[in-house]
Amino acid sequence: DTAVSQTPKYLVTQMGNDKSIKCEQNLGHDTMYWYKQDSKKFLKIMFSYNNKELIINETVPNRFSPKSPDKAHLNLHINSLELGDSAVYFCASSPGLAGVLSDEQFFGPGTRLTVL
Amino acid sequence: GESVGLHLPTLSVQEGDNSIINCAYSNSASDYFIWYKQESGKGPQFIIDIRSNMDKRQGQRVTVLLNKTVKHLSLQIAATQPGDSAVYFCAENTGGFKTIFGAGTRLFVKA
Repeated sequence: DTAVSQTPKYLVTQMGNDKSIKCEQNLGHDTMYWYKQDSKKFLKIMFSYNNKELIINETVPNRFSPKSPDKAHLNLHINSLELGDSAVYFCASSPGLAGVLSDEQFFGPGTRLTVL
Repeated sequence: GESVGLHLPTLSVQEGDNSIINCAYSNSASDYFIWYKQESGKGPQFIIDIRSNMDKRQGQRVTVLLNKTVKHLSLQIAATQPGDSAVYFCAENTGGFKTIFGAGTRLFVKA
């Protein structure tokens, strides 16, 4: 009965490779997010989707491409991986009700990406 | 640019004592604030939130205080327990779907 799940939990890969991280939520939420957490624990939003539509696209290299096939899934594809992409990536979801001043986000367990 | 919080400081408290974790935010337009707890190897977990029309909000063993005049937020944990050991993040929102997280504070609870 996991609320927000991510796969894989760990990902070790070589520079230049392309990889994907998958995220699914079974909470019935309308909004999903991707965050990057660096080694200093700083958590920065990358993307946000509301009902499969991209609503937040922070200053992220275009090697990162999110895809939302339906509102329960938000996948992150990364092309040409670089050393600096090593981090923990968190998926999150929130009810995202229109007109509501934000709301609680539910985070997945994270995917630790190591680029060698 | 927008910024919330401080670079990751550490707070060490004795079990049973009260803990106070502080956070400064810079965007005076922010009107919704949240505290998250992140345990080792896990994702952040919501603790408590407060809207800008309030100064104080209480939960179970936790209290959040908001001082809009000096743009300061604090989280008070009563009778701190070993299970409270984690990194705590304050976060702010100006409306919409973008939440900005602070750098976090690591809380150590000594038995």
